[in-house]
Amino acid sequence: DAGVIQSPRHEVTEMGQEVTLRCKPISGHNSLFWYRQTMMRGLELLIYFNNNVPIDDSGMPEDRFSAKMPNASFSTLKIQPSEPRDSAVYFCASSPGLQIANTGELFFGEGSRLTVL
Amino acid sequence: GQNIDQPTEMTATEGAIVQINCTYQTSGFNGLFWYQQHAGEAPTFLSYNVLDGLEEKGRFSSFLSRSKGYSYLLLKELQMKDSASYLCAVASYNTDKLIFGTGTRLQVFP
Repeated sequence: DAGVIQSPRHEVTEMGQEVTLRCKPISGHNSLFWYRQTMMRGLELLIYFNNNVPIDDSGMPEDRFSAKMPNASFSTLKIQPSEPRDSAVYFCASSPGLQIANTGELFFGEGSRLTVL
Repeated sequence: GQNIDQPTEMTATEGAIVQINCTYQTSGFNGLFWYQQHAGEAPTFLSYNVLDGLEEKGRFSSFLSRSKGYSYLLLKELQMKDSASYLCAVASYNTDKLIFGTGTRLQVFP
């Protein structure tokens, strides 16, 4: 069974450009999470969806960030306009059930490394 | 809100035992997780504790004390491949949110 698939794996862009990161969760998983990881702040939860519905977006840094999940097999995280401080690794993860504590774990994709010049 | 603290870095010798501590403050605690992350890779699940006590899984064990807001990950018979970051994460009751600490980078030397 394929794991969580993210694209692109690496992206280098210039300040002000739009960035779109994509994620395909594991088939049958009901919850999807977007995290951002930097050396200074570690792994931060940006937003998560349950059954394609955004449940908590309190971690989204500002209005430049938006996320969508149009169907159970696809999600996007968009940054517009991008800034150098957005440089980080962005991870998508999925889990099977409503309560993570019952299901036991998150399954992470390989991440998208974003560099904004 | 939630607050999770763990040491930034640790070093140990191959074959030794190392204990990585994690303290947390959260409302609605509903489980503590440990993840391993090798450099340049995704985090992978190691262990889960929701009740007090020790959970053993091969060379790795994880301990939880809910009253103290404290957990540790114990790694025995260290191997070079155990060099990685170890992330402590806390789940909140009735949500799917998993909040991570900043991680402890462990370096194992020969």
